[in-house]
Amino acid sequence: AQSVTQLGSHVSVSEGALVLLRCNYSSSVPPYLFWYVQYPNQGLQLLLKYTSAATLVKGINGFEAEFKKSETSFHLTKPSAHMSDAAEYFCAVSDQPPGTYKYIFGTGTRLKVLA
Amino acid sequence: NAGVTQTPKFQVLKTGQSMTLQCAQDMNHNSMYWYRQDPGMGLRLIYYSASEGTTDKGEVPNGYNVSRLNKREFSLRLESAAPSQTSVYFCASRRQGESSDTQYFGPGTRLTVL
Repeated sequence: AQSVTQLGSHVSVSEGALVLLRCNYSSSVPPYLFWYVQYPNQGLQLLLKYTSAATLVKGINGFEAEFKKSETSFHLTKPSAHMSDAAEYFCAVSDQPPGTYKYIFGTGTRLKVLA
Repeated sequence: NAGVTQTPKFQVLKTGQSMTLQCAQDMNHNSMYWYRQDPGMGLRLIYYSASEGTTDKGEVPNGYNVSRLNKREFSLRLESAAPSQTSVYFCASRRQGESSDTQYFGPGTRLTVL
């Protein structure tokens, strides 16, 4: 069975500081991995995804994530936080074709950016 | 191109009342999903429809029913609402055949059951 663990339900960083949001997964098959962002009172928006191509994935808004199979991790980073990055971030895992494409979501990390 | 739309945006029910949450997508996607979001629990899959005419249970299906009316529309019904169903409900869709799957989410329905 697949699962996702996000370490830290709340993370605070200063504006301009490095953002690091942690995600570890468990999967018996090669996974697809995703990071989604949710701004207040909105739906989820895809930030980036890993689909077994390059292990370093670049997404929107300056975010990137690196797939590390040996560590079963897919941590999200951004070199310099901006006030507009304050949101909740979700990591998700999915099986590859011909699977059912059901997503398993982590419990989320709320990012606070301090001025 | 509106993407995924959901109605209503907000709803308050009394225990035992019924209602249907509507979802539609205009991206010609085959697969559609219903999730609920509760604080500290992330998103949990209620039901999904891999294609028109098929539906399957997800992680938390009890108390819900779904209908895949056509390729565009996927509704979620609460027959007898309970306070435990107070949540934010998200609909999502995905196009089959992409090299990698990406789910596109609607804006959500905030449901309160008193």
